[in-house]
Amino acid sequence: EAQVTQNPRYLITVTGKKLTVTCSQNMNHEYMSWYRQDPGLGLRQIYYSMNVEVTDKGDVPEGYKVSRKEKRNFPLILESPSPNQTSLYFCASSSGGRYNSPLHFGNGTRLTVT
Amino acid sequence: GNSVTQMEGPVTLSEEAFLTINCTYTATGYPSLFWYVQYPGEGLQLLLKATKADDKGSNKGFEATYRKETTSFHLEKGSVQVSDSAVYFCALSDGSNTGKLIFGQGTTLQVKP
Repeated sequence: EAQVTQNPRYLITVTGKKLTVTCSQNMNHEYMSWYRQDPGLGLRQIYYSMNVEVTDKGDVPEGYKVSRKEKRNFPLILESPSPNQTSLYFCASSSGGRYNSPLHFGNGTRLTVT
Repeated sequence: GNSVTQMEGPVTLSEEAFLTINCTYTATGYPSLFWYVQYPGEGLQLLLKATKADDKGSNKGFEATYRKETTSFHLEKGSVQVSDSAVYFCALSDGSNTGKLIFGQGTTLQVKP
């Protein structure tokens, strides 16, 4: 089954404790992206990657890092989480960002930072 | 800059009622327009899309027409079901190489039997 898999689904942590949210897709997609979803704000792009070893900032990249060492994986790293990063996070992939291919989303990771 | 505005929710309807969720956009150039749906506890799924003016996207009884003159992409369904209860997001892509979608804030639909 074609899917984007995120882990964990739920995560509670404390300020400053480094964490990683994993994302993997099995559709051989070149394009991957991370969004955060906050009430009243819709989804905002954090980082994106057009292909392996190519990443770039989205609209709200502060406090986040990503890497794209393999085509299928695109982990989101919070080096020093803060309470304002409490949010619902989605990983997404598509076959080509430039050509408006539809995004396939994971089921989300709900992060709480206390 | 580019932006998407959706009607405020929640929208509460009885089963078999007619649905309209308004969406307007601001964009330079010729964006593609999308509706995504998010069921409880799940990620977003593409519902329909339109890539140029006057195109009509349709899927599962939902329709939306790309209206360039009114910069709108309203979602409609003639007869909603309880299973349509979800959050609906309007989005646009400007076709740049960022692949970024710009989302509206989402509209919650509740359908009661």
